[in-house]
Amino acid sequence: LAKTTQPISMDSYEGQEVNITCSHNNIATNDYITWYQQFPSQGPRFIIQGYKTKVTNEVASLFIPADRKSSTLSLPRVSLSDTAVYYCLVGDTRGGGFKTIFGAGTRLFVKA
Amino acid sequence: GAVVSQHPSRVICKSGTSVKIECRSLDFQATTMFWYRQFPKQSLMLMATSNEGSKATYEQGVEKDKFLINHASLTLSTLTVTSAHPEDSSFYICSATPGTGDNQPQHFGDGTRLSIL
Repeated sequence: LAKTTQPISMDSYEGQEVNITCSHNNIATNDYITWYQQFPSQGPRFIIQGYKTKVTNEVASLFIPADRKSSTLSLPRVSLSDTAVYYCLVGDTRGGGFKTIFGAGTRLFVKA
Repeated sequence: GAVVSQHPSRVICKSGTSVKIECRSLDFQATTMFWYRQFPKQSLMLMATSNEGSKATYEQGVEKDKFLINHASLTLSTLTVTSAHPEDSSFYICSATPGTGDNQPQHFGDGTRLSIL
């Protein structure tokens, strides 16, 4: 299973764009990159998933360079409610049963 | 879609009690579910993989006789913490993946806060 490395914490202000980068040097050919958000006393919530290049949904964008050894989660115009821990995971999601190993995550603190 | 429900959300009980936590996939079937434990200010730690109709696979260091897992149907897995002690107090979270296609992300329950007095 590919190991991921993220910054332990980040601070931002409301309205700013936040970019969180995750390093996954040992990513395998069949691995996808998935990001989750977790609030205190709640389970992680799926944000976005991608394999290569760029993926965008209604809440975030995910940028993946050609070598796929890293990825960047981009949160546009964050608000106070985006204060949470963000986890980057990599693994083979084919057919379900994807064994997920969590890294330390990035604790994002959004200030007014 | 893809909702995972856990019950109960919070349990407070005396030392020595056995506690059962349920994890249900509400709108999909899951042949595999996962159980995690999370201590305050720490990341999620995978405890075991729950396989429908067969024995669970436990991660290294997790006592299978302490944490009993049963996955009797495609929508329900249970974790029983047997003879719980204060050190078992933690936040337990389950997850499941819809097995209907490739590249489906895991969906997590909202966790169960277990407090052993």
